[in-house]
Parts: sequence; structure tokens; C-alpha cells
Amino acid sequence: EAQVTQNPRYLITVTGKKLTVTCSQNMNHEYMSWYRQDPGLGLRQIYYSMNVEVTDKGDVPEGYKVSRKEKRNFPLILESPSPNQTSLYFCASTLLAGARNEQFFGPGTRLTVL
Amino acid sequence: GQQVMQIPQYQHVQEGEDFTTYCNSSTTLSNIQWYKQRPGGHPVFLIQLVKSGEVKKQKRLTFQFGEAKKNSSLHITATQTTDVGTYFCAGGTGNNRKLIWGLGTSLAVNP
Repeated sequence: EAQVTQNPRYLITVTGKKLTVTCSQNMNHEYMSWYRQDPGLGLRQIYYSMNVEVTDKGDVPEGYKVSRKEKRNFPLILESPSPNQTSLYFCASTLLAGARNEQFFGPGTRLTVL
Repeated sequence: GQQVMQIPQYQHVQEGEDFTTYCNSSTTLSNIQWYKQRPGGHPVFLIQLVKSGEVKKQKRLTFQFGEAKKNSSLHITATQTTDVGTYFCAGGTGNNRKLIWGLGTSLAVNP
């Protein structure tokens, strides 16, 4: 089944404790991105990757890192989480870069930073 | 910067009533996509419109792209409880690299 998977689905952590949210897709998609969703603010892009070893900042990259060592995986790293990073996070992928391609979203990771 | 405004933010309807959400862009869009997010779920692609004045239908859902490619609408005829969720539009920028997302319209349907 074609899908985007994320782990963990739920995470409660404390300020300053490094964490990684994994994202994997099995559709051989080139383009992957991370979004955060907050009430009243819609979906905001954090980082995106147009292919292996090619990553770039989205609209709200501060406090986040990403890597793309393999085509299928695009982990999101929070080196020192803070409470304002409490949010619902979605990973998404598309076949090719560009705004005309359907985005496939993962199930989401709900992160709480205390 | 480029923005896509989506209205209304919330809509509460009785089952069987119609529903419409609108997206308006400050600039001309190359395309517009619509997504639906069920409560507790993730956004799911519904449709893409590319041509000026384009109209597409999916059962009770009708999608339109304005002649100037600056606005779009999603109309649901005779809503059902299964239509509950948040509907997002996302417009493609001129260089076709990025989607600009609307903030979404949350639809509640009373049975």
C-alpha cells in the first residue's frame, strides 16, 4: 500500500531534550516536506527536500533540522525543543517538486513539549 | 508576501443544506488544489484545477477556478455527516515551486 508513515504518532517531552520524528514514504517520491499545524494558523511548511541531499527552509524553519540521506526517509530533528514547538506535525511527499503535484500526507505526530 | 485567504473560517449547517468555501489570492495562481482533513486525520487530496474558469465535479462536490485564476470555490450540495472536516485550498505560485495554503474552513454538519 502506497503510504507515508510517521513515528512516533504521539510524543510528550521536556524542554531541551533532543528528539527525532521519522518520516518514510514507499512511493519513490522525490519531494518531501514537513508541516506544522496549529489552531487558526493552518499548515505551515517547516522544511522541504527536492531530492536526496537537497534540503531547504520553508516558512517556519527556526528550531528544526532535517536530513535526506535516502530518498524514502526525511526525519525531522528538534535539537532543543521548546514549548512553542508543541504542535501537530505532518510529513508529506509528492512525486516531483512543484506546486502541480498531489501531496500525500502522513498520519501526523502530535508533539507536546513541557 | 503571497497569501491565499479562505472564508469562512467555520461553517455550521444542518444535514441536507448546501455549503460553500471560498479562496482568494492576492496574485494570479498557476493552479489550485483542494484537500480535506477529517477530525483527527491528515489532509487528503481532493482535486486540482489548472485552467482559467475550470469547473470540476465529484459527486456532490463542485470545484471552480476563477477566470482570473485568483479565486476558487468548493461547493457541497446537500451536505451529509460524512462531509464533516476542514477543507483547505492551496494555490500554486507563479514559478510553480510552492503551494500557498489557505487557513481552511471547518465544516460541522448537524444530523
